[in-house]
Amino acid sequence: AQSVTQLGSHVSVSEGALVLLRCNYSSSVPPYLFWYVQYPNQGLQLLLKYTSAATLVKGINGFEAEFKKSETSFHLTKPSAHMSDAAEYFCAVSEGQGGSEKLVFGKGTKLTVNP
Amino acid sequence: DAGITQSPRHKVTETGTPVTLRCHQTENHRYMYWYRQDPGHGLRLIHYSYGVKDTDKGEVSDGYSVSRSKTEDFLLTLESATSSQTSVYFCAIRPGQGHYEQYFGPGTRLTVT
Repeated sequence: AQSVTQLGSHVSVSEGALVLLRCNYSSSVPPYLFWYVQYPNQGLQLLLKYTSAATLVKGINGFEAEFKKSETSFHLTKPSAHMSDAAEYFCAVSEGQGGSEKLVFGKGTKLTVNP
Repeated sequence: DAGITQSPRHKVTETGTPVTLRCHQTENHRYMYWYRQDPGHGLRLIHYSYGVKDTDKGEVSDGYSVSRSKTEDFLLTLESATSSQTSVYFCAIRPGQGHYEQYFGPGTRLTVT
């Protein structure tokens, strides 16, 4: 079974600083990987996805993630944090095939942005 | 906006009572999912559906059942609610073959007292 580990359940950065949220996965096959963002009292919104095309994936709101097979990582970055980036972020990997595709989620990282 | 609504959005119920949560989608997607979200656990899959009347269990299916009698609706039932089922429940859809991402509804906050 696939699994996802997000290092750091809480990350705090200053406004304008680099955002780095870490995600490592385990997968026996080439993975499909995703980052989602959840604002308070809302559902999850897809930020970006890796589906075996370019290893550097750009998403919404200035976020990007790089797939590194050798490190089994898919870290999320943003060059300059905004106050509006404060939210919880989830990394996910797809598992299954033939109609039984599912997502396995990490436990999430809560991002705080300080003024 | 993937056209997903969930009802009710909030519910408080007593231990031992049955509860049904509804997920409704407007875009005729084949694949639908139910998750629960709890602090420190992320999202965990309860059940999913790959077509009308075709469902399967997820990671945390004990105490839950589902039904899908038409494409647009996916129902989650707690036959006899327990306090451990207090959670936020999310429904999601997957657009179909070749797509692995899922799109989520707004969630239902369920409290079992």
